[in-house]
Amino acid sequence: NAGVTQTPKFRILKIGQSMTLQCTQDMNHNYMYWYRQDPGMGLKLIYYSVGAGITDKGEVPNGYNVSRSTTEDFPLRLELAAPSQTSVYFCASSYSMRDEQYFGPGTRLTVT
Amino acid sequence: AQKITQTQPGMFVQEKEAVTLDCTYDTSDQSYGLFWYKQPSSGEMIFLIYQGSYDEQNATEGRYSLNFQKARKSANLVISASQLGDSAMYFCAMSPSGSARQLTFGSGTQLTVLP
Repeated sequence: NAGVTQTPKFRILKIGQSMTLQCTQDMNHNYMYWYRQDPGMGLKLIYYSVGAGITDKGEVPNGYNVSRSTTEDFPLRLELAAPSQTSVYFCASSYSMRDEQYFGPGTRLTVT
Repeated sequence: AQKITQTQPGMFVQEKEAVTLDCTYDTSDQSYGLFWYKQPSSGEMIFLIYQGSYDEQNATEGRYSLNFQKARKSANLVISASQLGDSAMYFCAMSPSGSARQLTFGSGTQLTVLP
């Protein structure tokens, strides 16, 4: 099992550009999450999904969109990138309510 | 709303000694989960230990144990016999009751193990 994979690993965007961060898990997990981690801080939840076709906002959803068309994939879309979105983005998944979340390696995004 | 507080931005411990990393939380939920994650300098998030709010015994995983004091709303991580590889950022997190179990993280504690 590859676990949770994220692409790309690094990306530099210009202000106003858009991009999609990809996240795929091969563990057949129902729950998937997107977090962002700003320098020196803990992670903050952007969006989450409890299954294919079901998504909901987390703590910091503004400027982002998600979709969950399959169990495996949970892409995060940034529209009109802003410098405030410079961060490291982590995707995670879990099987059930009691299980720990498995994290991908992260995507380091810089918006200039 | 939930909140996690980690009051120790940085901690130092001598190799082979034990260290306690503090975590307090605030929630109005009766059912919740508490987690500790390790983030080495390479950046990945590594799950260490889980404690459910209704678990009567403190969780243990190898050299990691969670000192859970429900009345005080604290969930401190104890690392026994510290190793140089334990140097990392440590995050306390909690998840609410309900179906999604999304995590709320503290700001982290940077642990440095000294030889």
